[in-house]
Amino acid sequence: EIVMTQSPATLSVSPGERATLSCGASQSVSNKLAWYQQKPGQAPRLLIYGAFSRVAGVPGRFSGSGSGTEFTLTISSLQSEDFAVYYCQQYTNWPLSWTFGQGTKVEIK
Amino acid sequence: EVQLVESGGSLVQPGGSLRLSCEASGFTFSSFEMTWVRQAPGKGLEWLSYIDTSLTAMYYAPSVEGRFTISRDNANNSLYLQMNGLRAEDTALYYCARVSNSYFGIGSLDIWGQGTMVTVSS
Repeated sequence: EIVMTQSPATLSVSPGERATLSCGASQSVSNKLAWYQQKPGQAPRLLIYGAFSRVAGVPGRFSGSGSGTEFTLTISSLQSEDFAVYYCQQYTNWPLSWTFGQGTKVEIK
Repeated sequence: EVQLVESGGSLVQPGGSLRLSCEASGFTFSSFEMTWVRQAPGKGLEWLSYIDTSLTAMYYAPSVEGRFTISRDNANNSLYLQMNGLRAEDTALYYCARVSNSYFGIGSLDIWGQGTMVTVSS
C-alpha cells in the first residue's frame, strides 16, 4: 500500500499570508495526486487533480505542484473561507485502491 | 444540480448489518464509476470500495474486504453498500463519491455526498 504523509499537521497562518502544505508518497505516484478541502460539517471538495490542475471554479490562489513522491499545495493569499482541513490523495493504483494523507489543518493565526 | 444523497446510516450493535444507499441526480449515473469513503469521528478519510459502470469490477480496502459489498442499480441511479459483521471501529460518517472521468483527473473523486452516519455500539 502506498502511504501518503502530510506536513505539517496544523498550519497557523494569518489572513492574506501564503500557506504551503506538503504531501509525500512512500513510492512514486507520478502525477496521480489530488487535493481536497474539507470544512467543518461538510463533505470534502476536490480542488486539484493531476497534481496541478485546478477544478473549475476553484480560485486561482490555489495551486498544486510536484510529481513522483513530493507534492505541494500553495494558497497564495489566505482568505477567511480557506481555513479548513486539506487532504492529499493518490490514485495511481486506481481502481484497485486509493489512499489519503492524514490531513493538514489550516487555522487562523 | 449534480448531487449525491446518502441514507441508511443508524445505530447498530456489533456483529450487525446495515445497507447504505446513495441516490444520484443531475448527471448520467450509469456513465460514472463510484466509490465509498468513510471518516471516523475526528479522523481522516479512508477509501473503502469501488465499483465500475457495468458492475463487473468491484474492489475493497483490506479493512472491509469480506464484510462489505458494493453494488449499484443504474436504472434507479443508486449506489449501495451492504455492511455485515459490523465492528466498533466501523463507526464513521460514510460518503459516496463519484470518480472523475476527465482525462487527467480520472481516479480523483469529483462529487461527494453529505454522508450518512453509522454508529456501531452495544
